[in-house]
Amino acid sequence: AQSVTQLDSQVPVFEEAPVELRCNYSSSVSVYLFWYVQYPNQGLQLLLKYLSGSTLVKGINGFEAEFNKSQTSFHLRKPSVHISDTAEYFCAVSEVGANNLFFGTGTRLTVIP
Amino acid sequence: EAGVTQSPTHLIKTRGQQATLRCSPISGHTSVYWYQQALGLGLQFLLWYDEGEERNRGNFPPRFSGRQFPNYSSELNVNALELEDSALYLCASNVRREKANTGELFFGEGSRLTVL
Repeated sequence: AQSVTQLDSQVPVFEEAPVELRCNYSSSVSVYLFWYVQYPNQGLQLLLKYLSGSTLVKGINGFEAEFNKSQTSFHLRKPSVHISDTAEYFCAVSEVGANNLFFGTGTRLTVIP
Repeated sequence: EAGVTQSPTHLIKTRGQQATLRCSPISGHTSVYWYQQALGLGLQFLLWYDEGEERNRGNFPPRFSGRQFPNYSSELNVNALELEDSALYLCASNVRREKANTGELFFGEGSRLTVL
């Protein structure tokens, strides 16, 4: 069965510092991978997605993620965060050919001025 | 192109009452999903509708129910409200499953239900 693990529930980081939000998944088949962001009192917005091809995926707002099949990971990175990046970040995975999306428990990123 | 729309934005009810939340998917999308996001509990999958039928259900009691209309919009009904039902309810949609489908969901802004 699929599962998604976001080990860090909260990540505080100073403004302009780099950040990495970790995501690991388990699945016996090929997967699609997603990162969503949720700003306070809003719905979820897609940051980036990996469907196939290059394992380094670039998304909106300067974020990128790298798919590592051997480590079953899809960590999200940004070289320099801004106050406006303070939000909840969700990793999600779906199996190729299936119409279902499994979410991690989320990581709350807090950028400190 | 209009995104997923949800109404109402906010809803306040008392224990024992019923709440009805509504969702309109993106044009061309036939699948609608409902999630509950209670404080500190992440996203909990509630229901999935496709082509007017309930396709899957999360681990919620029967007082959580819904339906999908012929125009693919959807309602979520919560009967006999309890205090712990207070949460943000998110609706999402995607294309019909027979087509190439990556599983990507498109979310609305949510309906915040407060039970007093």
